Amino acid sequence: NAGVTQTPKFQVLKTGQSMTLQCAQDMNHNSMYWYRQDPGMGLRLIYYSASEGTTDKGEVPNGYNVSRLNKREFSLRLESAAPSQTSVYFCASSEAGRARDGYTFGSGTRLTVV
Amino acid sequence: AQSVTQLGSHVSVSEGALVLLRCNYSSSVPPYLFWYVQYPNQGLQLLLKYTSAATLVKGINGFEAEFKKSETSFHLTKPSAHMSDAAEYFCAVSDLGQFYFGTGTSLTVIP
Repeated sequence: NAGVTQTPKFQVLKTGQSMTLQCAQDMNHNSMYWYRQDPGMGLRLIYYSASEGTTDKGEVPNGYNVSRLNKREFSLRLESAAPSQTSVYFCASSEAGRARDGYTFGSGTRLTVV
Repeated sequence: AQSVTQLGSHVSVSEGALVLLRCNYSSSVPPYLFWYVQYPNQGLQLLLKYTSAATLVKGINGFEAEFKKSETSFHLTKPSAHMSDAAEYFCAVSDLGQFYFGTGTSLTVIP
């Protein structure tokens, strides 16, 4: 009954370092999403993958790359971290075409870039 | 594209008082509507959803929301606030498969 699992839960990076945030879901969902959450700005979509093998930019894609490794896994990579990328990152999944079901969210990754 | 407006980024209520969190969306066609709750240091959890059935939707923890097409609103209410209700609440709209979130309302419950 795991749902959406994100790793790591916390991370501190130095400016310029790279890292990959991992996300896996066990609900056989087709669509997966990466959001960032910042105070006063709600959730903003970074990238999404409507189905295995496809990825698309969201509202704030600059500085990020993604990989839909298989149906279960969707990773987010920061190639050269910047302090502006300090945020809480959430992965979510949904059944494609089932917008009425909403999204299932992971518990988040709290990233600090110093 | 849709937009979602949550009036009041911070709301404080006394324990036992009515909770009212406001949400308005922009659309002439009724979309799917959701309320999510986020407890401190946790992810978002679905509280309730409207999917074109009954306009009054009941969710978990005693919350409910009413869809009003004429007002394009989906306000969240709870008759009596409990300390455990302190959290961030997000309204969201699903339209053509895309999700649009409001900026959130932080609820404080005063003992």
